[in-house]
Formats: sequence, C-alpha cells, structure tokens
Amino acid sequence: GEDVEQSLFLSVREGDSSVINCTYTDSSSTYLYWYKQEPGAGLQLLTYIFSNMDMKQDQRLTVLLNKKDKHLSLRIADTQTGDSAIYFCAELNSGYALNFGKGTSLLVTP
Amino acid sequence: EAGVVQSPRYKIIEKKQPVAFWCNPISGHNTLYWYLQNLGQGPELLIRYENEEAVDDSQLPKDRFSAERLKGVDSTLKIQPAELGDSAVYLCASSLTGVGYEQYFGPGTRLTVT
Repeated sequence: GEDVEQSLFLSVREGDSSVINCTYTDSSSTYLYWYKQEPGAGLQLLTYIFSNMDMKQDQRLTVLLNKKDKHLSLRIADTQTGDSAIYFCAELNSGYALNFGKGTSLLVTP
Repeated sequence: EAGVVQSPRYKIIEKKQPVAFWCNPISGHNTLYWYLQNLGQGPELLIRYENEEAVDDSQLPKDRFSAERLKGVDSTLKIQPAELGDSAVYLCASSLTGVGYEQYFGPGTRLTVT
C-alpha cells in the first residue's frame, strides 16, 4: 500500500511552536488527518483537512497542505507540557480506512 | 455523548489460547472498524463493517482471526489460537455510515501473549 512518512521525534521548549511534518503518496486521498495518542490511550482526532483546502486553523492548531508536494504539516502554537504525546498523520484511502504514519513523538520540556 | 467503549483494556494469555475483544461504537455510528497497532507503529486496518456487513476484511488473517457484528451495533474480534506475534493493541473505531472522514477511536485492548 501507499506509505505515509513522518519524522519520529521532535523536542521543543514550552511556549515555543511545534511543527510536525508528514508526506503521503496517495494523490487521490480526499481527507488528511492528525491524531494524538497519549500513553496507554486510544487515538484522539485533533483535526482534519479536505484535499481541496490548503490551510485550516483551529485554536492553537494550524494544518497546512501542499498537494503538489504531498506534504502535510501540523503547527501547535504556544506548546504546553500537556501536548507531549505521539502525533499520527493519516490519509483516508478509497476504502474509507485510514493509512497511518508511524507517528511523531513530541516532547515538550519546561 | 459516550465515546467508543472497548473491553477488556488489558489481556494476558498464553500462546495457543483463544481471546476475544469487545467493542461498543458511538451511538448512531453504523460503520465500525478494527485496527491493529504494533509497538512503535501506526494502526492498520483489520476489518470494516457497515451495519452487520463486513465490507472490507482483506487484511484480516482469517486462519486465526474472526469478527462479528450480529445486530449492527456491538462487535467482537476473536483470535484462536493466539500466537506470540499477536501481542499488540487492538483498536476499535466508529464513524457515520458512508462518511468515514471522522473516525473516533476507543482506548484499545492491549494484548500480551506469553
């Protein structure tokens, strides 16, 4: 199947902005997602973007989509220690299932 | 509104034993998914249901895995017999029918096979 690629780790200081990047290969994906997973928990849907959009903002979260480069990013403004978690990028495939990346582990230090 | 409910949260069994996981989706969500998440990986789809019908089970290892959703609500995923490599987290998700773009996940069942 198609692969979704993410960097594995990111460390930022509290109060800074975090940017998590993702590349995908299925140009027919209609929706792209960001999920958050805290230790021992399931996946929390943070936000998603439709493929005909290039930006979506939701409070501290900004999603940017570059369809030409098949690049998706998640920016978290004013990152807090509670934002420490694993963030998964995912694309919706033609079968309505999600193809996930391996996740980016975000560590926020005081 | 209650989220997706899964039980048990943790299960430890010996290899060759059977095991079953239960999922109750969000009320009104007719589409139900079972995903497998190995350590350090993203979830991977095992099976998708639309009401009672399994519409995509191409990734389900049918020699040992089975699933059912008899009344189009709750679902059970079974493994028999379990192998060491089945140790993973089994996640259930649900969404509105035909609108898969908002999938909501349960907390998962962490299976350890010894």
